[in-house]
Amino acid sequence: EPEVTQTPSHQVTQMGQEVILRCVPISNHLYFYWYRQILGQKVEFLVSFYNNEISEKSEIFDDQFSVERPDGSNFTLKIRSTKLEDSAMYFCASSVWGASGNQPQHFGDGTRLSIL
Amino acid sequence: GEDVEQSLFLSVREGDSSVINCTYTDSSSTYLYWYKQEPGAGLQLLTYIFSNMDMKQDQRLTVLLNKKDKHLSLRIADTQTGDSAIYFCAESMEAAGNKLTFGGGTRVLVKP
Repeated sequence: EPEVTQTPSHQVTQMGQEVILRCVPISNHLYFYWYRQILGQKVEFLVSFYNNEISEKSEIFDDQFSVERPDGSNFTLKIRSTKLEDSAMYFCASSVWGASGNQPQHFGDGTRLSIL
Repeated sequence: GEDVEQSLFLSVREGDSSVINCTYTDSSSTYLYWYKQEPGAGLQLLTYIFSNMDMKQDQRLTVLLNKKDKHLSLRIADTQTGDSAIYFCAESMEAAGNKLTFGGGTRVLVKP
């Protein structure tokens, strides 16, 4: 079964450094998402992306965050200047549009981001 | 805003049925989902229900939706040790870019 792939599985970065998290969505999917889960807290929506544009973003997704689809297969999340509170598990998801509207989102295994 | 709540923990004996409950606040939800997360793994889609349905059955899984009470449940029949995991309820709304709003997750422990 096709799956969403995320790399790396664990990223350790110094505070203030830039980090790029990578995702390869399922190949025929056109809608892409990033979520994060801080340890012990709920999974939170960050951003949704369709047709090379952000379609929705949360309050968390401030100017430090950006997303890009640099080619036909990758979808990236960049954090420009990381803070301690950015430490979390980051999940990428993708979905496809079906006859009854947007279909369920399929998630990757996540990237654990640790900021030191 | 949207809010989704779940109980924290459920313990069940192997072979019994498990029922995991979820409440949500936004009546304009389009779909409601159940995801499973095993230790160190991602979110695995288990099943989902469209908001105009009352019930959906998929093998050992039964989803019940009470739209009036904004209550969603997941019943797992004949629970196995491999069902031990965290189960997340989530809702989505087309009007909000289909973003998912998650509950805090219910940790299910299956005892032999």
